Amino acid sequence: GAVVSQHPSRVICKSGTSVKIECRSLDFQATTMFWYRQFPKQSLMLMATSNEGSKATYEQGVEKDKFLINHASLTLSTLTVTSAHPEDSSFYICSARGISGNSYNEQFFGPGTRLTVL
Amino acid sequence: QKEVEQNSGPLSVPEGAIASLNCTYSDRGSQSFFWYRQYSGKSPELIMSIYSNGDKEDGRFTAQLNKASQYVSLLIRDSQPSDSATYLCAVNTYSGAGSYQLTFGKGTKLSVIP
Repeated sequence: GAVVSQHPSRVICKSGTSVKIECRSLDFQATTMFWYRQFPKQSLMLMATSNEGSKATYEQGVEKDKFLINHASLTLSTLTVTSAHPEDSSFYICSARGISGNSYNEQFFGPGTRLTVL
Repeated sequence: QKEVEQNSGPLSVPEGAIASLNCTYSDRGSQSFFWYRQYSGKSPELIMSIYSNGDKEDGRFTAQLNKASQYVSLLIRDSQPSDSATYLCAVNTYSGAGSYQLTFGKGTKLSVIP
């Protein structure tokens, strides 16, 4: 399957700082990337969808000014958590969908970034 | 509201047995269906995709799709303790403006007992 990387895998920061998470599709071009958040023992929650070169579409209840998403190329999307607070501590996972073999609908996940805000 | 329903489990099966995981979905127009495996503390891993009615086999995994009944299942033969994980059923649903996104079930936790 296609490979999606995410960096960093783990970050601890102080309240009020901003954190940038990178998501890269390594062996395919990702026309669409998705950002999810998952709290312990809970389901994946879609935060936003981004298409290369256009603004992200945020899900209801997700603050677009707090969670800045940039999808500047077909292989890179970034999520910046601005002015992070302890309640933003979570597992952030990106996924990418593109043309990979014959299954363009398949969506592949990165390994996730565990954010802890002190 | 487009929904994907799964039994949350836990589903416990003895090692070597067949594990059967089920999923129903509400959007009759859905065309793409996926099973992901998620180990605790890790991100989901795609293990099967299915697009046509019937069965699709890949190693010990068989996905089954019945669009008329809006039902998807995953069978795991010769279950191993390493198969213990949460299995997520996902359905590609139309979200408007030419876009599609995955709608996930809440997952079924599988425990394979040695």
